[in-house]
Amino acid sequence: GAGVSQSPSNKVTEKGKDVELRCDPISGHTALYWYRQSLGQGLEFLIYFQGNSAPDKSGLPSDRFSAERTGGSVSTLTIQRTQQEDSAVYLCASRHNTDTQYFGPGTRLTVL
Amino acid sequence: AQSVTQLDSHVSVSEGTPVLLRCNYSSSYSPSLFWYVQHPNKGLQLLLKYTSAATLVKGINGFEAEFKKSETSFHLTKPSAHMSDAAEYFCVVSEGAGNNRKLIWGLGTSLAVNP
Repeated sequence: GAGVSQSPSNKVTEKGKDVELRCDPISGHTALYWYRQSLGQGLEFLIYFQGNSAPDKSGLPSDRFSAERTGGSVSTLTIQRTQQEDSAVYLCASRHNTDTQYFGPGTRLTVL
Repeated sequence: AQSVTQLDSHVSVSEGTPVLLRCNYSSSYSPSLFWYVQHPNKGLQLLLKYTSAATLVKGINGFEAEFKKSETSFHLTKPSAHMSDAAEYFCVVSEGAGNNRKLIWGLGTSLAVNP
């Protein structure tokens, strides 16, 4: 079956613009995660959705970042008024009833 | 709170020689532990995971890791390195229980394999 997909694969934007990043999890996976990976760094947790529960937003770095998950499936990560320090690869992962998270290929965001 | 320390940011080996990537963790209870691999311009792939069954875990591509509770370690090994093993490797611990689980990531070890 299909894995986790993300779009776009690359996004170049100007400082101050808003961007939306999309994640399609594996069908039937109840948990969805967003991470950020800056150049040469490990993964930084951003936000976590589990079923119909309120999301865990504890990793969002500022109020410019938000995410939603519609219908328990597709998720959109929105960054408002982008800054150069937002440049990174944004990774999405989904999980069902085990600990194993399955990752998408990521979206590389470049803020000029 | 859980944490993960990868002791080497960069490891370089010759093709055909053993690989050892070191990882130590801290956890307040029995953790789940993972190794993920990230090849250049590729997505993250699960290599192996430990979830309180056998302490020696075998993964894909000939890798294995041993959970040592007394040493709080979960080092990744491979008997003979291949050029295709060159990648970034991440040690990960699972925090929380039930559906409220997050992964805590190490900073990664870059493995170079020389011909």
